[in-house]
Amino acid sequence: EAQVTQNPRYLITVTGKKLTVTCSQNMNHEYMSWYRQDPGLGLRQIYYSMNVEVTDKGDVPEGYKVSRKEKRNFPLILESPSPNQTSLYFCASSYGRPRTDTQYFGPGTRLTVL
Amino acid sequence: QKEVEQNSGPLSVPEGAIASLNCTYSDRGSQSFFWYRQYSGKSPELIMFIYSNGDKEDGRFTAQLNKASQYVSLLIRDSQPSDSATYLCAVHRSNDYKLSFGAGTTVTVRA
Repeated sequence: EAQVTQNPRYLITVTGKKLTVTCSQNMNHEYMSWYRQDPGLGLRQIYYSMNVEVTDKGDVPEGYKVSRKEKRNFPLILESPSPNQTSLYFCASSYGRPRTDTQYFGPGTRLTVL
Repeated sequence: QKEVEQNSGPLSVPEGAIASLNCTYSDRGSQSFFWYRQYSGKSPELIMFIYSNGDKEDGRFTAQLNKASQYVSLLIRDSQPSDSATYLCAVHRSNDYKLSFGAGTTVTVRA
């Protein structure tokens, strides 16, 4: 089954404790992206990757890191989480860049930073 | 000014009526426009995309694009209770890899 998976689905942590949210897709997609969703603000793009070892900032990259060492995986790293990073996070992938291709979203990770 | 703006709603329509959702965008060079549907607690899923001025129909859904006025709309005909969801407008900006979303319009179809 073609899918984007994220782990964990739910996470409660404390300020400053490094964490990683994993994202994996099995569709051989080149483009992957991370979004956060907050009430009233919609989906905001954090980082995206056009291919292995190629990443770039989205609209809200502060406090986040990413890496793309393999085509299928695109982990999101919070080196020192803060309460303002409490949010619902979605990973998405598409075959090509978003101009023409459908974004397939993962199930979401709900993160709470205390 | 937000890059993509939508009426937040909620928009309540009776079953069988037409639901009309609007979206405006700020980058005149934007090229691709998408409507995603998101049920409560779920991830977004694509309904339609449109690239050219005019109307595009897919079943009960019609997307309308007017680049001169920088707006894109979605019409849902014969609305069903299963259409109750939040609808997200997304815009691909010119010549880059970013995708910008509006905050979404919540639609409730009442039986």
